[in-house]
Amino acid sequence: SYVLTQPPSVSVAPGRTARITCGGNTIGSKSVHWYQQKPGQAPVLIIYYDSARPSGIPERFSGSNSGDTATLTISWVEAGDEADYYCQVWDSSSDHVIFGGGTRLTVL
Amino acid sequence: QVQLVESGGGVVQPGRSLRLSCPASGFTFSSYAMHWLRQAPGKGLEWVAVISYDGSKKYYADSVKGRFTISRDTSKNTLYLQMNSLRSDDTAVYYCARDGGSGWTGGFDYWGQGTLVTVSS
Repeated sequence: SYVLTQPPSVSVAPGRTARITCGGNTIGSKSVHWYQQKPGQAPVLIIYYDSARPSGIPERFSGSNSGDTATLTISWVEAGDEADYYCQVWDSSSDHVIFGGGTRLTVL
Repeated sequence: QVQLVESGGGVVQPGRSLRLSCPASGFTFSSYAMHWLRQAPGKGLEWVAVISYDGSKKYYADSVKGRFTISRDTSKNTLYLQMNSLRSDDTAVYYCARDGGSGWTGGFDYWGQGTLVTVSS
C-alpha cells in the first residue's frame, strides 16, 4: 500500500521559515492536502491540491509538490503555528485515503 | 455556515456495536462525498471510510472493512457509521468530514468536533 513519510518533528525559531516534507513514491503525480491540528482540536485544512489555500488561511502557508516529495512551507513562523501537521493523498490504486504520520512543529 | 456534529460515541464492550451519527447543515449535503476518520489517543489521523455524494460508492480502510458500514440519509442530511464487532484498537475520537473536491479526492474542508469511542471491558 502507498506510504507517506513525514519527519516526526521540526523545530524553528520565530520569524524563520519552517519546511515540512511529505515523501511518497511519485507523489508529484498525486494531489496533496495538508492539515494543521492543535491539541484538543479537530484538524484544519490549510493547503489543498498541492498549493491552494482555503479562505482564511494566511499567505505564510504555502505548498509545493514534485517528484517524490511534497513540501509545506510556513514563512515568518509564529508561536501560534505550533501544532501537528499532516499530509494526505487519495491513492487510486487502493481506493484509500492515506495520511502521513504527522510532524510536530515546535516554535523555539 | 457549515456544521457537522458527531454523536453516538461512548464506552462499549469488545465485540459489541455502536452507531455514530453526523447531521450536516449549512450546505447541500447531497452534493458532497463524506468521510469518517479517527484518531487514537496520542496517535495520528486514520481514514475510516468514504461515501459518494449519492451513496452509490463506498470505500473502507482495511482495518474496518467487513465490520463498519458507512451510510447517508439525504432526507435527514445525516451521515452514519455503523460499527460492529468492536475491538480495543477501535478506541479513538471519530470525526466526520466533508470532501471539498468533486468526487472523493479533495481535501477535507470541514470537520466535526469529534466523538470519543472507547472499547473496553
